[in-house]
Amino acid sequence: DAGVIQSPRHEVTEMGQEVTLRCKPISGHDYLFWYRQTMMRGLELLIYFNNNVPIDDSGMPEDRFSAKMPNASFSTLKIQPSEPRDSAVYFCASTPAVVGDEQFFGPGTRLTVL
Amino acid sequence: AQSVTQPDIHITVSEGASLELRCNYSYGATPYLFWYVQSPGQGLQLLLKYFSGDTLVQGIKGFEAEFKRSQSSFNLRKPSVHWSDAAEYFCAVGSLNYGGSQGNLIFGKGTKLSVKP
Repeated sequence: DAGVIQSPRHEVTEMGQEVTLRCKPISGHDYLFWYRQTMMRGLELLIYFNNNVPIDDSGMPEDRFSAKMPNASFSTLKIQPSEPRDSAVYFCASTPAVVGDEQFFGPGTRLTVL
Repeated sequence: AQSVTQPDIHITVSEGASLELRCNYSYGATPYLFWYVQSPGQGLQLLLKYFSGDTLVQGIKGFEAEFKRSQSSFNLRKPSVHWSDAAEYFCAVGSLNYGGSQGNLIFGKGTKLSVKP
């Protein structure tokens, strides 16, 4: 398996633009997580899905952020409109259904909002 | 509320020296605990995990960690550090959601390890 795939790896955009980050989890993994990493706040969980259904979105910072998982092999995180404070590295991770199993992380998308 | 504390933001050790990275957690039930490593520009990779059983767990790259319930700690150790171990290390505690199924991980803020030649 190729592991968790994220695209793009780098994104530079201007304030006010819409940004869409993409993630393909490992096949057969029932859980998908979106994280944001910044120097100030560390690694924060934004939202996670189980079998394509959002379970906990309490970490989504505000309504400008939305996430979808239309099928088991694809998820998106959208920011509209983007702001400079959204600049961060966004990670996607997936894990099987077994409790206590590790999360497998993608390489991340480095987002810069000018 | 669950939480993870990594008290050391940055540690520098000499190559060949021993290493211990500290992790303390707050969790109401028996936790499951993880250590991840992140190299610059990379995602997180699992080093080891504790779920139950033997409190001393072995991981990849020669790392080990010991779960001490009385101290709410899960410190990471390595007897002899290599230059390639320079990275950031994250401790995490797993939770169960209301239904008792897989939940999210709570991560510490990380400890950055530098290795002197």
